[in-house]
Amino acid sequence: GAVVSQHPSRVICKSGTSVKIECRSLDFQATTMFWYRQFPKQSLMLMATSNEGSKATYEQGVEKDKFLINHASLTLSTLTVTSAHPEDSSFYICSASGTTQYFGPGTRLTVL
Amino acid sequence: GENVEQHPSTLSVQEGDSAVIKCTYSDSASNYFPWYKQELGKRPQLIIDIRSNVGEKKDQRIAVTLNKTAKHFSLHITETQPEDSAVYFCAASIGSGSEKLVFGKGTKLTVNP
Repeated sequence: GAVVSQHPSRVICKSGTSVKIECRSLDFQATTMFWYRQFPKQSLMLMATSNEGSKATYEQGVEKDKFLINHASLTLSTLTVTSAHPEDSSFYICSASGTTQYFGPGTRLTVL
Repeated sequence: GENVEQHPSTLSVQEGDSAVIKCTYSDSASNYFPWYKQELGKRPQLIIDIRSNVGEKKDQRIAVTLNKTAKHFSLHITETQPEDSAVYFCAASIGSGSEKLVFGKGTKLTVNP
């Protein structure tokens, strides 16, 4: 099956710093990747759609200047959480779209 | 926009019994319905999916049924095993040509030995 990697798996940072999360499709090319946020014991909340070579499309209520997305190649999308605050602490998961959506292992972000 | 309702939120069964999880969707244009299994702290993994041109699909102990008229689809797990314990999410595509998915709130399934 399709493999999606995500790095880092866990990050702890101080309030006000920026954190970059990488999402890679390892064995297929993905023109579209998605970024989700998941709170404990809750469902997946779509944050944005990342399209290779074009600007990301953000869901309503998601600040595009806070969550910067870059999809520079068919196998890599990055999410940068800028000026992170404790309320940004969450589990961030990416997915790459092939015949279906294949998920990365997630990144646990903790902002102190 | 698309809305997906999932029931029940929790389900506890004895090993060997069957488990059924139901979802309804609102957008009649939706044409793709995957089910994901997520174990604690891990990624959601696709376990089965169905497209709107079929009414049922089966893969060993797992089956999915789709009723387009009623706009609902269900996951059936037979002969449940403790390793089936996880959170299960249903999802529906947004419209007919979109790769975006809307997820249900999840069902925590516990299979008791």
